[in-house]
Amino acid sequence: NAGVMQNPRHLVRRRGQEARLRCSPMKGHSHVYWYRQLPEEGLKFMVYLQKENIIDESGMPKERFSAEFPKEGPSILRIQQVVRGDSAAYFCASSPQGWDTQYFGPGTRLTVL
Amino acid sequence: AQTVTQSQPEMSVQEAETVTLSCTYDTSENNYYLFWYKQPPSRQMILVIRQEAYKQQNATENRFSVNFQKAAKSFSLKISDSQLGDTAMYFCAFIGSYNTDKLIFGTGTRLQVFP
Repeated sequence: NAGVMQNPRHLVRRRGQEARLRCSPMKGHSHVYWYRQLPEEGLKFMVYLQKENIIDESGMPKERFSAEFPKEGPSILRIQQVVRGDSAAYFCASSPQGWDTQYFGPGTRLTVL
Repeated sequence: AQTVTQSQPEMSVQEAETVTLSCTYDTSENNYYLFWYKQPPSRQMILVIRQEAYKQQNATENRFSVNFQKAAKSFSLKISDSQLGDTAMYFCAFIGSYNTDKLIFGTGTRLQVFP
């Protein structure tokens, strides 16, 4: 059973470009979570999605960031007009139901030049 | 608001020895889960162990065990027979029954295992 998949593993963008991060949950998991880890810090919650629904986006910056989890295909975290402060590791996690163990993907390391 | 505190930024232990990492948390909830995750140099987040608050028995996974003190809101991780591959950042995390969607992480403890 494949784990949580994320791609790309590394992404380099110049200031002002768009970044798209993809996450495929574990088979049988319909709950997806995105977290951000700044250098030398712990993970901070960004958004929680189920298929076609955003359940909680309280941790997501109000501007430039959006997330989706369509009926078919992976979950996407989209960052528009990236700035240097967006440089971080972005982790996706999935679980079979709410309030359950979350299993993490390998993360996407975003570097903004 | 729930918080998770790890007061040891760095720890070190010799191979084959035992080490304990500390974690305290604050919550007004009665039902919750606690976790320890390991993040080795590869940066992958790996689940080490999980504890349900309603269970009095401490969770154990091979060389890893916890000391869960609910009244004291303490959740320490004990690693026995430490191995070089245990070198990693260790994060304590909490998820409550009210805020069921987000894990709340501590700031982590960097563990170095020496030969």
